[in-house]
Amino acid sequence: DIQMTQSPSSLSASVGDRVTITCRASQGISNYLAWFQQKPGKAPKSLIYAASSLQSGVPSKFSGSGSGTDFTLTISSLQPEDFATYYCQQYNSYPYSFGQGTKLEIK
Amino acid sequence: QVQLQESGPGLVKPSETLSLTCTVSGGSISSYYWSWIRQPPGKGLEWIGYIYYSGSTNYNPSLKSRVTISVDTSKNQFSLKLSSVTAADTAVYYCARGITMPDWGQGTLVTVSS
Repeated sequence: DIQMTQSPSSLSASVGDRVTITCRASQGISNYLAWFQQKPGKAPKSLIYAASSLQSGVPSKFSGSGSGTDFTLTISSLQPEDFATYYCQQYNSYPYSFGQGTKLEIK
Repeated sequence: QVQLQESGPGLVKPSETLSLTCTVSGGSISSYYWSWIRQPPGKGLEWIGYIYYSGSTNYNPSLKSRVTISVDTSKNQFSLKLSSVTAADTAVYYCARGITMPDWGQGTLVTVSS
């Protein structure tokens, strides 16, 4: 099974900051990587698929990059609504697997 | 945009079978893959499996012996059955569209307890 490891596990930032979250796969997954945002008590929301493609309706402040084993999610100009938990997910090999999550908190 | 809604019992006794249905509206189920994901309280996400509208499935090996996903195209629904449940199966269960999961249901909490 492929293990997905996110870093950091938690992150404090201020409104207006730019932040980067890293996701590392235990083996190569090409670009079969998705990113999700989850707020408390809500279902995850898809942000990015194929490592760097933005889902319809997702603002361009979110961007993804990477291929193989190392990936990043960057959020520019943080706004209050961006403070949430973010998950990466690989869909290259079964079983599909998620990272443990990165909780983005307001400083 | 496709909407998904999970339904089913919120409380299941240990050793019994958890059964949930996901109703798809705003589009036909007769395309795409359809997925189930779960999230234990306070923990991360776990992929359970998916079904293609034609009926082909793929399951997480950690649950494979206990899980069945089926589809009813006439009702625009797909379903999850998880047998021999224990307290470790207590979670919010989500249904979602596709493999990249652009659309999700709101989730339903299933508690396993006697």
